Amino acid sequence: GAGVSQSPSNKVTEKGKDVELRCDPISGHTALYWYRQSLGQGLEFLIYFQGNSAPDKSGLPSDRFSAERTGGSVSTLTIQRTQQEDSAVYLCASSPGAGLVDEQFFGPGTRLTVL
Amino acid sequence: RKEVEQDPGPFNVPEGATVAFNCTYSNSASQSFFWYRQDCRKEPKLLMSVYSSGNEDGRFTAQLNRASQYISLLIRDSKLSDSATYLCVGPRSGNTPLVFGKGTRLSVIA
Repeated sequence: GAGVSQSPSNKVTEKGKDVELRCDPISGHTALYWYRQSLGQGLEFLIYFQGNSAPDKSGLPSDRFSAERTGGSVSTLTIQRTQQEDSAVYLCASSPGAGLVDEQFFGPGTRLTVL
Repeated sequence: RKEVEQDPGPFNVPEGATVAFNCTYSNSASQSFFWYRQDCRKEPKLLMSVYSSGNEDGRFTAQLNRASQYISLLIRDSKLSDSATYLCVGPRSGNTPLVFGKGTRLSVIA
């Protein structure tokens, strides 16, 4: 079956522009997670959704970052007024159940470069 | 102590060697742990879950030591294809999502 997909796979933008990253989770998965990973670094948790609500937004680095999920499916992560330090791979994952300890299935990521 | 902590490595081992990684965790109430594998410039993928009784999958063995609050991953008869970063995963606290360690890099050398 189809896995988690993300688009675009690569995004190059200029400092100060807004970007929108999209995640399509595995069909039927209730939980969706966003992480970012800088080169050679570990995963940094950003936000997760249970259905359409986001119980934990504690990882969002600043108010320039926001995310939403609609219809319990697709999610978008928006970064406003991008900065060079936002350059990273943004990974989305989904998991099947309402529990928070299920296996997470990751998408291939969006590589964001802010010039 | 950080929620999940790993030695970043790198661990450079010859083919056929046995190698073990540990990962310490801070939340003593944690119930669920995992090991994920991440290849260079790829997304993480689940390698195995860690059960309190320990579990084995082929050349890989995962164990949980609650008394000392660490989990371990043992790889026997290392293959070149085992070269990757291994991420330890556990709950943060209470009812919050899983937290990933920064990973341990393994290089298996011919």
